[in-house]
Amino acid sequence: RKEVEQDPGPFNVPEGATVAFNCTYSNSASQSFFWYRQDCRKEPKLLMSVYSSGNEDGRFTAQLNRASQYISLLIRDSKLSDSATYLCVVGNQAGTALIFGKGTTLSVSS
Amino acid sequence: DAGVIQSPRHEVTEMGQEVTLRCKPISGHNSLFWYRQTMMRGLELLIYFNNNVPIDDSGMPEDRFSAKMPNASFSTLKIQPSEPRDSAVYFCASRRTGGTVTDTQYFGPGTRLTVL
Repeated sequence: RKEVEQDPGPFNVPEGATVAFNCTYSNSASQSFFWYRQDCRKEPKLLMSVYSSGNEDGRFTAQLNRASQYISLLIRDSKLSDSATYLCVVGNQAGTALIFGKGTTLSVSS
Repeated sequence: DAGVIQSPRHEVTEMGQEVTLRCKPISGHNSLFWYRQTMMRGLELLIYFNNNVPIDDSGMPEDRFSAKMPNASFSTLKIQPSEPRDSAVYFCASRRTGGTVTDTQYFGPGTRLTVL
């Protein structure tokens, strides 16, 4: 089983749509969780951390289910500028390095 | 802040040649990471340093790859000899705190390597 698994997509949605991405991780001892965003031919950038109680940043909501080892990202009212690849990221057991999923590609069209 | 600086941005070389990729982390950051990204395998951690010391190089694919960090502001990733399967985008990233992942990791723009 891969350490971090994501549906690669692509997800093609119209502007204004709500879209959700899911991710599972294999190491139950992981303590840190993140979503990164990567634009085409650019470097990954931190989008948001994911906390146990769930957290929201504007149109973005992240959820964590430790029992199921499942992480989600919800984007409401999608914008054209949201088109990118979203990487699910988990801290390793030692808490010293990050393990990246292969990413889910989102394309928002007008 | 200049961010993480990588050079060259693009490199095209022939099989068997030596390739050296360079990275300057953000000033004050004491953790540095080298990643490789391909369509097939995604973003893979190759090696990381804390305070210039290599901590985990288990991701380095084979002996052809080596990395050094002679001081806090410079690191290199060398491939010798290079092979076509090494073609990928190589990212360098840095982070302020050496202990945990809770601090944000900042990536450089990457080096796109093509080995013919």
